[in-house]
Amino acid sequence: DGGITQSPKYLFRKEGQNVTLSCEQNLNHDAMYWYRQDPGQGLRLIYYSQIVNDFQKGDIAEGYSVSREKKESFPLTVTSAQKNPTAFYLCASSIRFWQPNQPQHFGDGTRLSIL
Amino acid sequence: DAKTTQPPSMDCAEGRAANLPCNHSTISGNEYVYWYRQIHSQGPQYIIHGLKNNETNEMASLIITEDRKSSTLILPHATLRDTAVYYCIVYAGNNRKLIWGLGTSLAVNP
Repeated sequence: DGGITQSPKYLFRKEGQNVTLSCEQNLNHDAMYWYRQDPGQGLRLIYYSQIVNDFQKGDIAEGYSVSREKKESFPLTVTSAQKNPTAFYLCASSIRFWQPNQPQHFGDGTRLSIL
Repeated sequence: DAKTTQPPSMDCAEGRAANLPCNHSTISGNEYVYWYRQIHSQGPQYIIHGLKNNETNEMASLIITEDRKSSTLILPHATLRDTAVYYCIVYAGNNRKLIWGLGTSLAVNP
């Protein structure tokens, strides 16, 4: 079945440590996105990528970095500069970038906590 | 950006239709109405979307009023597995944002 796979499901970060969240899709979608969800809040956009080797900052990019070396993969690194990283992280993809008639499809998320 | 208003919570009996309302009175002509749902600790699941006409798929029906200022998501025969938070979003693409509100927490009761 086609879909978006995020790993790990749960992740713990120590102070001063960088951690990387994996996102892989086999839907042959050009565009990929990273969102952050905090309790009682809607999703907020961290980074997005239109095509391979391209990515742009979203609304809350500070303390995060991404890469898009392959069409299928869009990993997110939470750096030590992100002072409040505890959240539920969601990866999404769509056929083309921000096409209003094309939905974004989501993975099942990674829950990141601070040790 | 158009915003949406949804009731914070609703209840529905198992086997009955669940009708979830959404107000989007400031929607503009090129904005689509999208519905997603999120079951606890999972990613949002796409349900349905529409521009002007009513839409139906295997999961639900979407009824959009003629003036497009409100819509209703209909789950025709709700099951316990439909218990989730349902999000109504308006989306044009040109603002490069899906604006997520707090959604409606639907509880399907046996």
